[in-house]
Order: sequence, then structure tokens, then C-alpha cells
Amino acid sequence: KAGVTQTPRYLIKTRGQQVTLSCSPISGHRSVSWYQQTPGQGLQFLFEYFSETQRNKGNFPGRFSGRQFSNSRSEMNVSTLELGDSALYLCASSLDSGSALETQYFGPGTRLTVL
Amino acid sequence: GQSLEQPSEVTAVEGAIVQINCTYQTSGFYGLSWYQQHDGGAPTFLSYNALDGLEETGRFSSFLSRSDSYGYLLLQELQMKDSASYFCAAILDSNYQLIWGAGTKLIIKP
Repeated sequence: KAGVTQTPRYLIKTRGQQVTLSCSPISGHRSVSWYQQTPGQGLQFLFEYFSETQRNKGNFPGRFSGRQFSNSRSEMNVSTLELGDSALYLCASSLDSGSALETQYFGPGTRLTVL
Repeated sequence: GQSLEQPSEVTAVEGAIVQINCTYQTSGFYGLSWYQQHDGGAPTFLSYNALDGLEETGRFSSFLSRSDSYGYLLLQELQMKDSASYFCAAILDSNYQLIWGAGTKLIIKP
């Protein structure tokens, strides 16, 4: 079974631009979560999508948005990029069987650099 | 606020045992998960604890004490390939969201 895939793997943008990142979950997985990872900060939760609906949201500004399609693929968008948005953006999928202890499977991430 | 504290870096010797601690402060705590991330790689699931006590999975064990808001990951018979960052993540019982610690970088010396 193929793992979680994210595209692109690397991206360089300038301040003020916008960016769209894509995530394809493991086949059969219905939940997709997005995280921002910066050195020394761990993983910061952005949002989670299930059945094309945003189910949970972290404490990020409205410049960060996302969506999920009927095939569970998800995209996240960051508008008006700032230097501080430079980070590794990770996508994780899970089966969402209703268990609190469900494992999240992570993709390799998209490394975004904002100049 | 909700937070998890873990040491930023731990150093150990190949073949030895190392313990990575994690203390948490969350509302609506359900359980504690541990993930491993190698440099340049994606986090991968190691273990979780929903009940107090020790869970063993091969060379890795994880412990939870709800009364102390504390858990740890124990790695035995350390191998060089265990050099990685280890994250604890608290599972909230309200929405099963994960709140992550900042990670512990494990350095293993021969």
C-alpha cells in the first residue's frame, strides 16, 4: 500500500506570494491533518479534515486554509506569505475508525522557504 | 494553555539504555503517543499509552503516570540507527487532537 505523498517536496517563494501544498493520504484513510514543523518548535497543528469538512483547527491566522476533496486528497493554502512561514509542512492521514489511539501516518513533508 | 515538556537533547552510548521524559499540561487528556523522526524524514509512530503503566514493544517501552502528568520512552540496547528526534504527543479526549512536544534529539555515541 502506498504511503502518504506530498507535493511539491521543496518550494521557494517570496514574501507576499501565496502557495498551495498537496497531500494524498493512504488509500482508505479518511482523515487528513496538517502540521507546521520548525526547528525547536515541534509540530504545530494547523487543521484536520474529514469527509471534506474541517473538523479541528489549530491556532494559526486565517492566511492558512485548507480543503479536502471527495477522494480524501487535501490541499493547504497559505496566502500573503511571511518570512516566518518558512517551515516543513507535514501531512498525516489516519483511518479514522473512531479510536482515540489511532496512528497517524506522515508524509515526507514540503519544505517551504520564504525569501 | 496546553503544553508538553521534554528535554531538547539526550546523549547515550551504543548498547546502553536511555529514558526520554515528557511532562504534560493539558485539559481533557486521553493518552500519550510517541513518534520517532530521523533527520530529513517523516515522523513515524512508536507507541501509545492510554492507561497507567508500561507498554513494551521490542526494544522500546513507554510509560504513563496520569497522576503525575508524566510519561517516558525507554530505549534499550541502543543502536546507531536510533539516533533521531523523539516526540511525545498528548491525545485530547474532546476531539482526539494531538498536542506535540518540541522533540528530544537523541545522540548516540559509539
